[in-house]
Amino acid sequence: DGGITQSPKYLFRKEGQNVTLSCEQNLNHDAMYWYRQDPGQGLRLIYYSQIVNDFQKGDIAEGYSVSREKKESFPLTVTSAQKNPTAFYLCASSPWTGPSTDTQYFGPGTRLTVL
Amino acid sequence: QKEVEQDPGPLSVPEGAIVSLNCTYSNSAFQYFMWYRQYSRKGPELLMYTYSSGNKEDGRFTAQVDKSSKYISLFIRDSQPSDSATYLCAMKAGNTGKLIFGQGTTLQVKP
Repeated sequence: DGGITQSPKYLFRKEGQNVTLSCEQNLNHDAMYWYRQDPGQGLRLIYYSQIVNDFQKGDIAEGYSVSREKKESFPLTVTSAQKNPTAFYLCASSPWTGPSTDTQYFGPGTRLTVL
Repeated sequence: QKEVEQDPGPLSVPEGAIVSLNCTYSNSAFQYFMWYRQYSRKGPELLMYTYSSGNKEDGRFTAQVDKSSKYISLFIRDSQPSDSATYLCAMKAGNTGKLIFGQGTTLQVKP
């Protein structure tokens, strides 16, 4: 089955720890994205990547880091510099053959809680 | 002012009702418009995708775009309890991959 997987589903972090959220896709999509969702708010873009070994900051990149070493993988690290990391994190991918076909498909999400 | 405004609800309707969900936006460069459905604690799933103005129908769902008014709508006919979810509108200009989302409207369809 083609799709996007995120792991873990739930993650608990202590103050001062870095944690890494996994995102894998087997859709052969070029572009991948990380969003953060807080209660009652829309999705806010953290980072995105349109090609391997290249990525761009989104609207709320501070306190986060990413890598894109493989086309199918786009892990997100939440660092201790992120002051309010408790949220629902969503990974998405799109084929990016041009703006008219750039529909994004989402994974199931990871819920991160800081203890 | 946010680029995309969406009433968060909640919106509660009886089963079988016609539901109207709406978003307004301020950026006249937006050309691509999407509606996503998100069940509780799940990732959003794409429902409808529309380019520029006009209507698009898919089963019980109809998406409308009025660029002159900067207003988009999603209509759900014969609503079912399984339609109970949060509906997110999203849109983007043609020259960027960045989607801008509304905050979502929570819909409850009561049996």
